[in-house]
Amino acid sequence: AQKITQTQPGMFVQEKEAVTLDCTYDTSDPSYGLFWYKQPSSGEMIFLIYQGSYDQQNATEGRYSLNFQKARKSANLVISASQLGDSAMYFCATEGDNYGQNFVFGPGTRLSVLP
Amino acid sequence: DAGVIQSPRHEVTEMGQEVTLRCKPISGHNSLFWYRQTMMRGLELLIYFNNNVPIDDSGMPEDRFSAKMPNASFSTLKIQPSEPRDSAVYFCASSFPQGGYPLRYNEQFFGPGTRLTVL
Repeated sequence: AQKITQTQPGMFVQEKEAVTLDCTYDTSDPSYGLFWYKQPSSGEMIFLIYQGSYDQQNATEGRYSLNFQKARKSANLVISASQLGDSAMYFCATEGDNYGQNFVFGPGTRLSVLP
Repeated sequence: DAGVIQSPRHEVTEMGQEVTLRCKPISGHNSLFWYRQTMMRGLELLIYFNNNVPIDDSGMPEDRFSAKMPNASFSTLKIQPSEPRDSAVYFCASSFPQGGYPLRYNEQFFGPGTRLTVL
């Protein structure tokens, strides 16, 4: 079974600085996808970024980038130029080869951006 | 385009009552997922459907929980009888199939959730 570990229950960052949220995963699937979601205090789950295990380049979406290190099984989210609106819970997730199955979420990291 | 629609957004009920949560996935999506989120257990996958067929219900906590998907545009999650420990936020999510070359695993689009409180 797949597993996601997010070792930082909470993080603080100063506005306009960059921050890295850690995610490590455990899977035996040869092919898989990695996802990051944001959950602000309003509760909705917002998809941020996707990385495929065979993608040659690290994914980027605006201020979000994914530092994918396959050999270390890590998929850290980097947020550049933090904004107050980035304060939220962030979840790392993975999906493997069993179609539609094993969409596993990590426990999340609560990010607080300080003015 | 409309996203995933869930109703009701909030539900307060008394222990022992039947609760039915509803979900309309995004048109064209053929996978539908039900999740439960609590502070203690985080986000848990309860059941997912592919082409209206339940594929994996191993996350359903017990027989009091049941889910149906009678057609591609509607699903329900029912709790009967409800208990206080069922209090949580229930999310429905949908996605379209992985595919393409290179293989692309598709993100799930979440509904706004239903906050259930069982007294």
